[in-house]
Amino acid sequence: AQSVTQPDIHITVSEGASLELRCNYSYGATPYLFWYVQSPGQGLQLLLKYFSGDTLVQGIKGFEAEFKRSQSSFNLRKPSVHWSDAAEYFCAVILTGGGNKLTFGTGTQLKVEL
Amino acid sequence: GAGVSQSPRYKVAKRGQDVALRCDPISGHVSLFWYQQALGQGPEFLTYFQNEAQLDKSGLPSDRFFAERPEGSVSTLKIQRTQQEDSAVYLCASRQSGSSSYNEQFFGPGTRLTVL
Repeated sequence: AQSVTQPDIHITVSEGASLELRCNYSYGATPYLFWYVQSPGQGLQLLLKYFSGDTLVQGIKGFEAEFKRSQSSFNLRKPSVHWSDAAEYFCAVILTGGGNKLTFGTGTQLKVEL
Repeated sequence: GAGVSQSPRYKVAKRGQDVALRCDPISGHVSLFWYQQALGQGPEFLTYFQNEAQLDKSGLPSDRFFAERPEGSVSTLKIQRTQQEDSAVYLCASRQSGSSSYNEQFFGPGTRLTVL
């Protein structure tokens, strides 16, 4: 079945530590790939997206993501986490070839310990 | 400029009541989307408008859900005879372009609906 999987429901890291959030997708063709962040009471904010080209994508707030076709993955990374990064992170896809709707994973809740 | 706004931010309804949720997209944005986010889940697509035309309503869970965008700007999501399973956050998003699905969707803060 076509799906977006975020295997980690919760992750806790110490401030200043590195972060990697996992995302895998299961589609016949490579979809457009996105990472969004949702803070309490806030709308979803786009961190970065991938369509084609360079497989390492830079986003806002110091985040980056790497697309790996062989693993059907699009993992989000940050070298040094700040306390303000605590939030919920969603991986999402849009099917290429005419789709418009975002299909989201179930999210990863990030907690940052000071 | 102003982002996407939604009202009300919170709505409590008794089971069986009708509710109407409003979305004001970013001015000039052609595309408008509604998503439903249940507790602990990612948002799920409900429906999509390009200007006033509702091009995709495949995600609406039942015929109790109805959305409109009569003048191609403000949109209203209406839920008739609300049920407890309708309790969720309803998110609206707008996108500047009509056809380029790669372009960013900008999300509003959502309306949290609680059905008692």
